[in-house]
Amino acid sequence: GENVEQHPSTLSVQEGDSAVIKCTYSDSASNYFPWYKQELGKRPQLIIDIRSNVGEKKDQRIAVTLNKTAKHFSLHITETQPEDSAVYFCASAGGYNKLIFGAGTRLAVHP
Amino acid sequence: SQTIHQWPATLVQPVGSPLSLECTVEGTSNPNLYWYRQAAGRGLQLLFYSVGIGQISSEVPQNLSASRPQDRQFILSSKKLLLSDSGFYLCAWRAPGARGEPQHFGDGTRLSIL
Repeated sequence: GENVEQHPSTLSVQEGDSAVIKCTYSDSASNYFPWYKQELGKRPQLIIDIRSNVGEKKDQRIAVTLNKTAKHFSLHITETQPEDSAVYFCASAGGYNKLIFGAGTRLAVHP
Repeated sequence: SQTIHQWPATLVQPVGSPLSLECTVEGTSNPNLYWYRQAAGRGLQLLFYSVGIGQISSEVPQNLSASRPQDRQFILSSKKLLLSDSGFYLCAWRAPGARGEPQHFGDGTRLSIL
């Protein structure tokens, strides 16, 4: 079935460093890839998304890249800050109405 | 603008008791609606989704059921709760149509079974 693998499961960085989270999807028909940030006890919130007609998208310190040939997409956070600490989920549009989520990455940014 | 409401925010229930969680969406018509469960420290498990009134798709066999009595209302129910039903329940909506639309989550209900 459709599957999204996400790595790493945990990531620890120093404030100011960059963080990269990688995902691989299985459904070659997927054309939409959102990223969500979930702070402890809160709901997941959309932080950035990318559609298959572009290879990269940037929003301030956050960027997402997509390689459709390899079925890989990645989240890049530059100049990390303690408030970036959270769990991050990648997803791909699976089937007509569903999102297939990765297992999540717990990012810790240390001052 | 669109908003999504879930209630209650927290719930403590004994094993064997019934459950009803409600989710409503405002500011949009014919949304796609979703129920997810998240165990502590884990990912998002899709339980049910609905593309219209009375249309429910179940993703995993379980002790729960869902209903959509109105266009913007989605209800998650159980007749008898199990310990394993504990978790963080999230409702989400997205605009109908093509795949390339994000889902937006409600604030969730934290359910504890005793």
